[in-house]
Amino acid sequence: NAGVMQNPRHLVRRRGQEARLRCSPVKGHSHVYWYRQLPEEGLKFMVYLQKENIIDESGMPKERFSAEFPKEGPSILRIQQVVRGDSAAYFCASSLSAGRGNYGYTFGSGTRLTVV
Amino acid sequence: DQQVKQNSPSLSVQEGRISILNCDYTNSMFDYFLWYKKYPAEGPTFLISISSIKDKNEDGRFTVFLNKSAKHLSLHIVPSQPGDSAVYFCAASYNTNAGKSTFGDGTTLTVKP
Repeated sequence: NAGVMQNPRHLVRRRGQEARLRCSPVKGHSHVYWYRQLPEEGLKFMVYLQKENIIDESGMPKERFSAEFPKEGPSILRIQQVVRGDSAAYFCASSLSAGRGNYGYTFGSGTRLTVV
Repeated sequence: DQQVKQNSPSLSVQEGRISILNCDYTNSMFDYFLWYKKYPAEGPTFLISISSIKDKNEDGRFTVFLNKSAKHLSLHIVPSQPGDSAVYFCAASYNTNAGKSTFGDGTTLTVKP
């Protein structure tokens, strides 16, 4: 499967710990988007990155959350000092370009974060 | 303020009949709309999209209609199949970047054999 790979699929953290979520985009894709889905809700945009650059982080909380997409390796969404409200499914999507087309965006299967 | 709304949390139809899923939006700046299908424990899968310069786009059994004056779009699935049972999300974007989309809360479609 050459799609977007996210790991881990499930992550349990105690309050105050750090969570690291990884996203490997489709091969050749240089645009990555992170979304968060709370139970019974739709996906909420968090951050848009290109290789080594954050393009738009307007949906990401200002504190405790950070994202990166290094030149080599996967994109990382990092949540420091997790709280119970961070429990959600986190999805990553990738694209070849930032434009639009009749193809939509390829999403990974998500990481389900549970904070206990 | 929810800018994309899917007012029906669930919809049940008989196999072979038409499924109509609705979506309303409030932001007149949106100019590109997408529908995604999602199975449990999986990520959303793109189904079909439409630009605001069109009022209809068709792809096989799936047709999306856009009514800009009403700020309303709908997804028609004909004929519906049991494998179509999933959560359907409507999403909207603007400024050329459909990767940064605003999603509705989804409608769970159940197609009964």
